[in-house]
Amino acid sequence: DGGITQSPKYLFRKEGQNVTLSCEQNLNHDAMYWYRQDPGQGLRLIYYSQIVNDFQKGDIAEGYSVSREKKESFPLTVTSAQKNPTAFYLCASMGTGRSGELFFGEGSRLTVL
Amino acid sequence: RKEVEQDPGPFNVPEGATVAFNCTYSNSASQSFFWYRQDCRKEPKLLMSVYSSGNEDGRFTAQLNRASQYISLLIRDSKLSDSATYLCVVNQGGGSEKLVFGKGTKLTVNP
Repeated sequence: DGGITQSPKYLFRKEGQNVTLSCEQNLNHDAMYWYRQDPGQGLRLIYYSQIVNDFQKGDIAEGYSVSREKKESFPLTVTSAQKNPTAFYLCASMGTGRSGELFFGEGSRLTVL
Repeated sequence: RKEVEQDPGPFNVPEGATVAFNCTYSNSASQSFFWYRQDCRKEPKLLMSVYSSGNEDGRFTAQLNRASQYISLLIRDSKLSDSATYLCVVNQGGGSEKLVFGKGTKLTVNP
């Protein structure tokens, strides 16, 4: 079945450690996104990529990094520079010409101890 | 004024009730509008797009009022399975990266 796979679903990290969240899609979508969701809050855009080997900062990119070496993959690294990393992270993709129709992965819940 | 603002909720309604959610947006250049549904601790999923003429999908009706910068979602004959958080999403134009999410309105349908 086509879809987006995020891993891990749950992750615990000590302060000062970097962690990488995986996002893979087999929908043949060009555009991919990373969002962060905090309790009672809307989704906030971290980074997005509209084509391989290119990506742009979203509204809250500080303390995060991404890469887009393959169309299918858009990993997110949460670095030690991110002040409040505990959150629910959602990866999404969108097909060409389908503005607004995001397909989300199941999310990764990161807790910093 | 926040970019996308929704009724804070939560809404608790009995089965069979009709419930309406409201959403306002601040950017008059916004081009397209959507409602997403998010179940507890799950990912959001597109419920329906919102068209200027209004659109209906079964028990769900979405309306857009560009003059008032207002979007609504009406659920008729609500079911227990409608319990979720409903997210209003606005595309401010210029590209998909301009999608702005509201904080969501939580609905609980009670037996």
